[in-house]
Amino acid sequence: SQQGEEDPQALSIQEGENATMNCSYKTSINNLQWYRQNSGRGLVHLILIRSNEREKHSGRLRVTLDTSKKSSSLLITASRAADTASYFCATDKLSGAGSYQLTFGKGTKLSVIP
Amino acid sequence: EAQVTQNPRYLITVTGKKLTVTCSQNMNHEYMSWYRQDPGLGLRQIYYSMNVEVTDKGDVPEGYKVSRKEKRNFPLILESPSPNQTSLYFCASSFASGTYEQYFGPGTRLTVT
Repeated sequence: SQQGEEDPQALSIQEGENATMNCSYKTSINNLQWYRQNSGRGLVHLILIRSNEREKHSGRLRVTLDTSKKSSSLLITASRAADTASYFCATDKLSGAGSYQLTFGKGTKLSVIP
Repeated sequence: EAQVTQNPRYLITVTGKKLTVTCSQNMNHEYMSWYRQDPGLGLRQIYYSMNVEVTDKGDVPEGYKVSRKEKRNFPLILESPSPNQTSLYFCASSFASGTYEQYFGPGTRLTVT
């Protein structure tokens, strides 16, 4: 079952603008991760934020986490055409076997227009 | 180069003909998993493995089998494929459980007619 849900489903912006994507989840987590997928290709890990962190930066990426609201946001600043991709949030959940599994949302499809 | 490889990348087959999709990683990762990706449904986990000889069901295991006889390999077996298993499949690995960064393979696009 999916835990994370991204919003919006699709986003179209002009090159140079900022893009913000949101993720909401249902149960408590150890960490939340964001991944990127270029059309039809494998997912690539972007950033991981732990449950005791509120904000994290990596280059043009900024991720925030609000555990009280069970939500996260991914901000891409100064977007480029090459940022066109689908972005997924993933949260870990404790499985019946006592291990943590990663569950993905359905993704936000970002289009950056040159 | 650290990577996860999958073969084949593309496969068209007929209903009921057994097939295996191979997955291999060269990072000495303990955790490996299989996902399927379908339009509008996102990624859903099929099976995962915490280590050699330890496998468990994910969210959509029906119609699939896996084995983990070696640390580096985690094949996905479809004993009797059906058209509803037409999908894009990804293998992934990580250092330990699913709470760690996952490394994904390039995907296998399967069509069952």
